[in-house]
Amino acid sequence: SAVISQKPSRDICQRGTSLTIQCQVDSQVTMMFWYRQQPGQSLTLIATANQGSEATYESGFVIDKFPISRPNLTFSTLTVSNMSPEDSSIYLCSVSPGQTYEQYFGPGTRLTVT
Amino acid sequence: GQNIDQPTEMTATEGAIVQINCTYQTSGFNGLFWYQQHAGEAPTFLSYNVLDGLEEKGRFSSFLSRSKGYSYLLLKELQMKDSASYLCAVWGDYKLSFGAGTTVTVRA
Repeated sequence: SAVISQKPSRDICQRGTSLTIQCQVDSQVTMMFWYRQQPGQSLTLIATANQGSEATYESGFVIDKFPISRPNLTFSTLTVSNMSPEDSSIYLCSVSPGQTYEQYFGPGTRLTVT
Repeated sequence: GQNIDQPTEMTATEGAIVQINCTYQTSGFNGLFWYQQHAGEAPTFLSYNVLDGLEEKGRFSSFLSRSKGYSYLLLKELQMKDSASYLCAVWGDYKLSFGAGTTVTVRA
């Protein structure tokens, strides 16, 4: 398993600003993922972040809006840029530390854009 | 693409059994996962099936039939704390794709 922390746990931001979310893992992992969960919805994958390579974005998500950094095997950041109220959501990072594709999730960052 | 279907809601009585079905059509398959998510919390891993058959873990069991694209999660001896959303997810194409989730409400 893995222990994952995220900062901040929640934030209220103004339209047009940007927020960077940090994800820290207690062990080295190759694969890290960023998800969005809008109110009452399931999880939608934003991008996969592997250390040493550019993040791979899912359809509907672009690097200019959601830039990701992955400087080492225990840390990643997701920035939500030029925010609008539609970006209000919970953002979760997850990791897949083992050989069985099992994923563990961080506690999430609850973002409200006004 | 990935298409994962599960019922939206289920209600059951404390002590009873509930079965949550999940059907999937995916490009690529490396395993099926079930996660539990309480309101306001992150999903937590419950079970993983990669081969056909039943996996049992205490009060929770999960079944997989790859030929039918079908899985179920069985919750036995329901407790009030089992009230949560249960997410079916398939690993394929280097990512985990989630169904919309089934909200289970346990009544006294």
